[in-house]
Amino acid sequence: DTAVSQTPKYLVTQMGNDKSIKCEQNLGHDTMYWYKQDSKKFLKIMFSYNNKELIINETVPNRFSPKSPDKAHLNLHINSLELGDSAVYFCASSQSAGTRNTYNEQFFGPGTRLTVL
Amino acid sequence: AQSVTQLGSHVSVSEGALVLLRCNYSSSVPPYLFWYVQYPNQGLQLLLKYTSAATLVKGINGFEAEFKKSETSFHLTKPSAHMSDAAEYFCAVRNYNNNDMRFGAGTRLTVKP
Repeated sequence: DTAVSQTPKYLVTQMGNDKSIKCEQNLGHDTMYWYKQDSKKFLKIMFSYNNKELIINETVPNRFSPKSPDKAHLNLHINSLELGDSAVYFCASSQSAGTRNTYNEQFFGPGTRLTVL
Repeated sequence: AQSVTQLGSHVSVSEGALVLLRCNYSSSVPPYLFWYVQYPNQGLQLLLKYTSAATLVKGINGFEAEFKKSETSFHLTKPSAHMSDAAEYFCAVRNYNNNDMRFGAGTRLTVKP
């Protein structure tokens, strides 16, 4: 009955490879997010999708491309991986702002630790 | 744009002592404020949230936070620290009318026996 799940939990790969991280939520939320957490624990929003449409796209390299096949899924594809991409990536979900009787706290997945060698 | 500042990247207390983690926010509109906890190798878990219903908010694990508009603060406290409270704590702010949540840099809490 996991609320927000991510696969894989660990990902070790070589520079230049292409990889994907999958995220699924079963909370019925209509907004999903990707965050990057660096080695100093700083959390940075990367993308936000609402009803399968991109609504926040912070300055990230275009090697990163989010894909949302439906409201319950938001996958992250990374092309041409670089050493600096090594981090923990978190998926999160929430109900969108303005939805009646919700305060839109975000629920986080367990994270995917990406190591680029 | 809204933002939060967490004062002190690392706080160390003795078991049984008061825990105080500081957070100040900046927002041009009424904010929603949150505290999250991250245990080692885990995701973030919501501790508590302020949504304008009450200025003193109680959360899980004995934590509480008080919203002080005059000080633009939302400090997190717990009367008596437990070893299991050792974790990273994040303050976050979101405007009531959009999804954009901004996190502070985090405060690592260490609890000494």
